[in-house]
Amino acid sequence: SQQGEEDPQALSIQEGENATMNCSYKTSINNLQWYRQNSGRGLVHLILIRSNEREKHSGRLRVTLDTSKKSSSLLITASRAADTASYFCAMIDSGGYNKLIFGAGTRLAVHP
Amino acid sequence: GAGVSQSPRYKVAKRGQDVALRCDPISGHVSLFWYQQALGQGPEFLTYFQNEAQLDKSGLPSDRFFAERPEGSVSTLKIQRTQQEDSAVYLCASSPRGGGDGELFFGEGSRLTVL
Repeated sequence: SQQGEEDPQALSIQEGENATMNCSYKTSINNLQWYRQNSGRGLVHLILIRSNEREKHSGRLRVTLDTSKKSSSLLITASRAADTASYFCAMIDSGGYNKLIFGAGTRLAVHP
Repeated sequence: GAGVSQSPRYKVAKRGQDVALRCDPISGHVSLFWYQQALGQGPEFLTYFQNEAQLDKSGLPSDRFFAERPEGSVSTLKIQRTQQEDSAVYLCASSPRGGGDGELFFGEGSRLTVL
């Protein structure tokens, strides 16, 4: 079955630095999504990249997708303390159209 | 409000008690999902509704877990005879589209602690 795995598990950087998180998956996908979760809150959708796209931007976010390597990366440029959160990639389980599967996440800490 | 609303936000139950968690999705959203999130982990899929039909319940961990969405809007997740391993945050999400292939809108979650 499908499974997303993020690395690193945790990332600690200073404000102004860039943060890069990676996601690998097992089976073919139609699209891949990235979500953010602040501590004690629900998840918030950040960006969706389709399988025929290689790169997508949204503000300070840049997502890449390499279907040949079954991997995606999320880059946050010029990070801010408010970016401190957990970030998850998600994709549809190959065995079920209805099941969106999340990885374990990358916990990002941005220090002022 | 316009977002997904979950209640209660916090629930403490004694082992063996039954609990019911409520989800009010965004009005008009066809799809509704329940996830379980343990501390420090990603959300784990529990079940999926399209309107009032429960199309996928493959993630429910045992027959103590039951979910319903009788009129295709509000949903309730019921856990019978709670166990300590049921302690987690239960997240509800909705989507205007059928299936899980698009953006999901999440509620803030219901944190269940079983003593």
